[in-house]
Formats: sequence, C-alpha cells, structure tokens
Amino acid sequence: QVQLVQSGAEVKKPGASVKVSCKASGYTFISYAMHWVRQAPGQRLEWMGWINVGNGDTKYSQKFQGRVTITRETSASTVYMELSSLRSEDTAAYYCARVSWVAVPGTRHYWVDPWGQGTLVTVSS
Amino acid sequence: DIQMTQSPSSLSASVGDRVTITCRASQSISSYLNWYQQKPGKAPKVLIYAAPSLQSGVPSRFSGSGSGTDFTLTISSLQPEDFATYYCQQSYSTPWTFGQGTKVEIK
Repeated sequence: QVQLVQSGAEVKKPGASVKVSCKASGYTFISYAMHWVRQAPGQRLEWMGWINVGNGDTKYSQKFQGRVTITRETSASTVYMELSSLRSEDTAAYYCARVSWVAVPGTRHYWVDPWGQGTLVTVSS
Repeated sequence: DIQMTQSPSSLSASVGDRVTITCRASQSISSYLNWYQQKPGKAPKVLIYAAPSLQSGVPSRFSGSGSGTDFTLTISSLQPEDFATYYCQQSYSTPWTFGQGTKVEIK
C-alpha cells in the first residue's frame, strides 16, 4: 500500500535550518507530485509548496518564498523539505502528502492523500 | 489568496445525529473543494474531493455538496469514530488554503 514515512522530531534554535525527509513506498515515485503542509499547535493547516517529483519543478507559497526548499532524491524515493531562518512561529507539525487527481472534461481536480505521519519541529532558544 | 471560512468552529452532537458543516470561499472556486478529517495527533485524511465525490473506502454516511463559494459536508448518522476535526480545502489556485476547522465533539 502507499506509505509515506517522515523523519523524526527536531528541536532547533532560532535562526537555524531544519530538513525533514519523506520516504515514499508502494507506488511509482516519479509519477506523483508531493506537497508539504504544516500545522502549528491549535492552528489550521497551512500549505507550504509542492514538487513535481518527475522533473524537480517546485512551487512555494509566497509566505515561505526564500526560506523553503523542496527537493527530491529519486534513487531513494525520498522528498525533502528544508526551512531556514527558523523562528518560534515555525514550531509546528510538518506533513508531506502525495497528490491525487481526477480528470474531468477540460480540467483536473487535485487533492492530497495519503499523508505522512508528521514531523514535529520545535523552535526554541 | 482565497480565504476559506467554516462554520461552526465546533459543535456537540450525539451518536446517530445528522451533522452539517459549511465552508465558504472568498471567491468562486467552482467545485475545487476537498474535505479532510483529522483525529488528535494524527495526519488528516481525505473524505470528499472535487466537492461531491466520496473517496474510496470512506463510509457513505459522509457526503459533500456545493459549488462556487458555498459548500457543505454532511454526516448523515454520526458514529463514535467520527468525532474529529474537519477541514475544507480549496485546490482552485495556489496557495492552497484550508478552513479553520470544525471540531465535532460528543454531547
């Protein structure tokens, strides 16, 4: 079955960077884009960006532009999300999630499922 | 960015109740609307995609409707395993955005 397994929890100091991995299995890795979504404690889900795993193209939310980098390593079926210049407001659970879609006349509808188990990143001095 | 607003933010209901959650977009998003369920400490999972389409494996007591700016998630007969937080999400344009969530609690 499709499975996404993320790296473990991280504690970082303000100003540092964090790199979270997401290892995929159970499907053809390069055929599906991967998205990253975060959730601060008690807050709504927040979309960060996505990567076309086939060709490496990325698109980021303007909120994180310049601080986030999403990459992939096809030989390892792994996607990475790196967030730099961390501040306390970046304390959150970070999720990878695989895209799914359905084609309808003239367009496609997209959603994300399944999701990884989440990686808690704590930013504290 | 497209703003997504859910109502109510929380509700209390009993097993067997019919529950309706609404989601409003700040501009028309056609039917580019998905619904997710999240339980405490767990990742979300999709229930409904493209507004009315039920994800494979999701019980038929869940249904979605709407288009344009107004959408609804309905649980026809609430079950104990349905107590969770529900989020709507638009995929009409990036950045994808989510509603603030509706927490369904046991009465």
